[in-house]
Order: sequence, then C-alpha cells, then structure tokens
Amino acid sequence: EVQLVQSGAEVKKPGESLKISCKGSGYNFNNYWIDWVRQMPGKGLEWMGIIYPDDSDTRYSPSFQGQVTISADKSTSTAYLQWSSLKASDTAMYYCARHGATVVSRADYWGQGTLVTVSS
Amino acid sequence: QSVLTQPPSASGTPGQRVTISCSGSSSNIGSNTVNWYQHLPGTAPKLLIYNNNQRPSGVPDRFSGSKSGTSASLAISGLQSEDETDYYCATWDDSLNGWVFGGGTKLTVL
Repeated sequence: EVQLVQSGAEVKKPGESLKISCKGSGYNFNNYWIDWVRQMPGKGLEWMGIIYPDDSDTRYSPSFQGQVTISADKSTSTAYLQWSSLKASDTAMYYCARHGATVVSRADYWGQGTLVTVSS
Repeated sequence: QSVLTQPPSASGTPGQRVTISCSGSSSNIGSNTVNWYQHLPGTAPKLLIYNNNQRPSGVPDRFSGSKSGTSASLAISGLQSEDETDYYCATWDDSLNGWVFGGGTKLTVL
C-alpha cells in the first residue's frame, strides 16, 4: 500500500529554522516525483515545488524560490521541506504528494499534512 | 490571484447535477491535461479526476471531467450531502515550469 507519512505539527517562533518530512512507503520512492503544497488558513492550495529523489532534480514555484528548500534522502525514502528563518506568514498546513514518473504526472497519493504555526 | 480561475462557490440540492469550471491559458490547460482534487481542509486532498476525464479506481462515476481549449469542467451528478467540500483543478504550466492550482470552489449541498 502506497503511503506518505508526514512529520507532526510544529510550533515555532519567527526567525527559527524548521525542517518537516514526508516518508514514502509501498513503492519505489526514488522513481516518483514528490511535491509540496501549502494551504494557508482559510485559503486555497498553492504549489511550492517538486523533487525527483533519484537525482534530486528540483523545481520551485517562483513564489517560493529562495524562501524554502526541498530535498530528499533516498536511503530513508524521505522528502523534506525546510526554512532557514520562519515568518509568521509561513503559518499554514503543508502537504506532500506523490506524482508519477514524469514531472507532469498527476499527484495520486497525498500525505496527511503538517501544520506549522509560527508565532512569537 | 490563482493562475487557474474557478468560481469561489457552487451549490445544488441533493440529486441535482452541478458543474465547476476551471479557466486557464494556452501555457497550462491549453497544453496539458487537467486533474481535479476533492479536499476537506485539514485532511489529505483526494484525486478525483486525472488526464481531463479519467477516474481513479474507487471514485464514483457520478464524478466526470471534461476539457475544451483552455477551460476544463468537473461535473457531479446525483449530488449527495457528502459531496459538500472544496474542489480544485490543477495542471502543469509550461511557462512557469511548475504546477498551478485553481483558487478552489466550495460546494454547498442545500
């Protein structure tokens, strides 16, 4: 069974760093693109970026380029989303999703979401 | 502003048929296939339609999708109370070199 299990909720202060995770199982993690999607409170889904674990080919939305870093560890079948300096506006639910073997393939499995709260 | 335009809300009574539109441009819907997701906030989004009109296993045939030019539509027939949630269209954008979502449509079952 394909599963994407995300790390738990986080409460951080502005300026702190954070790395959240998304662990894939039940499929060949290396050969499926994984992306990250943000949902701010009361807002819609926003695509952040996508990574191909096998060679770490990564694409970012212009809105998130330079704001976050997406990475993947093939040895643990885990994708990551990290911030070096959080802002209050990063408060949101973050989802990871598995795409197919090409970057334009559909996202067919999703993680349960990680709630990030940034508050002083 | 979302790259893909959806109506913010839609509604219907049980048993009715409702459609949700998704408008884009030549660089996204005009060039690539469209997927639709059903999303209850706080839970994992669910793939409802892929490749414009294909249903994943387990999705009822009450849900159907279509695409024409730079627009796509999701139709839900035999509306049920459990269909009351948010719906998003998504596709790849060749100009942005990334995925784009519609702003989402909140469906209310009256």
